[in-house]
Amino acid sequence: GNSVTQMEGPVTLSEEAFLTINCTYTATGYPSLFWYVQYPGEGLQLLLKATKADDKGSNKGFEATYRKETTSFHLEKGSVQVSDSAVYFCALSGAGTSYGKLTFGQGTILTVHP
Amino acid sequence: DTGVSQDPRHKITKRGQNVTFRCDPISEHNRLYWYRQTLGQGPEFLTYFQNEAQLEKSRLLSDRFSAERPKGSFSTLEIQRTEQGDSAMYLCASSLDDYGYTFGSGTRLTVV
Repeated sequence: GNSVTQMEGPVTLSEEAFLTINCTYTATGYPSLFWYVQYPGEGLQLLLKATKADDKGSNKGFEATYRKETTSFHLEKGSVQVSDSAVYFCALSGAGTSYGKLTFGQGTILTVHP
Repeated sequence: DTGVSQDPRHKITKRGQNVTFRCDPISEHNRLYWYRQTLGQGPEFLTYFQNEAQLEKSRLLSDRFSAERPKGSFSTLEIQRTEQGDSAMYLCASSLDDYGYTFGSGTRLTVV
């Protein structure tokens, strides 16, 4: 079946530090890949997506590249802010389904200190 | 458009009681999903509706769980004879296609 594995957290960084959160996946076929963010007390929000190999998703300074050869979709940001503190989820869909059912990783808690 | 609304936000119930949650999706979205999220884990798929038709149910959805989406609008998720293991955040999401999910803020269930 489909699965997503994320880097264990929590991750604690100082403001303006570089962020990488690793994500690898197992899927049949060609899934679409997503990063979702969950701020305290709020629902999941789509951060970025990539729908085919070598696509780069980007939003709000975050980037992730769909690497089929390494089955990875690592999230990066060059300079984090305190407001980026949240839980980040890697997810996939479309592999073996036709209606966008999402399979999530376990989430990575990010805390950014001033 | 106010997004996906879920009610209630929090529910505390005694073991063995029945509970029902409601989800109001974005009005033009024909797809509706329920997920369950336990502490420290990512959301897990429970069930999916295309309009009023329930097209898939996860093995996680035991026979104590039932979901409906009458008339293809709002949806309800009922849990009968609740158990402590049912304590979790129940998330609803809606979409028009494979990529444009909008999640609600969830209903947090605590079974005591």
